[in-house]
Amino acid sequence: EVKLVESGGGLVQPGRSLRLSCAASGFPFDEYAMHWVRQVPGKGLEWVSHINWNSGSLGYADSVKGRFTISRDNAKTSLYLQMNSLRAEDTALYYCVKDNSRGVFDIWGQGTMVTVSS
Amino acid sequence: NFMLTQPHSVSESPGKTVIISCTRSGGNIASNYVQWYQQRPGSSPTIVIYEDDQRPSGVPGRFSGSIDISSNSASLTVSGLQTEDEADYYCQSYDYNNHAVFGGGTKLTVL
Repeated sequence: EVKLVESGGGLVQPGRSLRLSCAASGFPFDEYAMHWVRQVPGKGLEWVSHINWNSGSLGYADSVKGRFTISRDNAKTSLYLQMNSLRAEDTALYYCVKDNSRGVFDIWGQGTMVTVSS
Repeated sequence: NFMLTQPHSVSESPGKTVIISCTRSGGNIASNYVQWYQQRPGSSPTIVIYEDDQRPSGVPGRFSGSIDISSNSASLTVSGLQTEDEADYYCQSYDYNNHAVFGGGTKLTVL
């Protein structure tokens, strides 16, 4: 079974850091690009970042560029999102998403909630 | 950059057909494929249409997608509406930086 399980979310104060993890299973992780997509509860989807299969190509939304860093460990079949200088507007459910190699988000995790508040 | 604009909500009766639009402002709708995702309440999104009009295996044939260059828009058509189709639907494409862009989402209510 193809599965993505996020972890690492929680309550954090503005300006602090948090690292999200995503454990992948059921598919050859090292062959696929991966993404992070977030969603404020009750609101729409916002793409955050992507990383290609070998970490050679990275991309970030303007809203997080310079503060967030995406990375992966293919040996551990894991995806990460290091979030620094967190702001209240970063509060959202963060989804780990698999790319089908053609830019389609074909598998989504259940999400991990990040709340930035003092 | 560009935006994808969707109606906030649509509603229709069971058995009927509904069309959800996704209009691209800035750039040509045909320059990048459009995907459609369904998000049922309390669940993660799932893909229902990819590359404008392709349906993944397991998605009912009642779902179809298309693009219209004249209106610079994409459309998701759901025919023979069922109560289980009640969900939020999001269109998605890519910008020139190969960054994903989502529409604001459309809430489909099956009355």
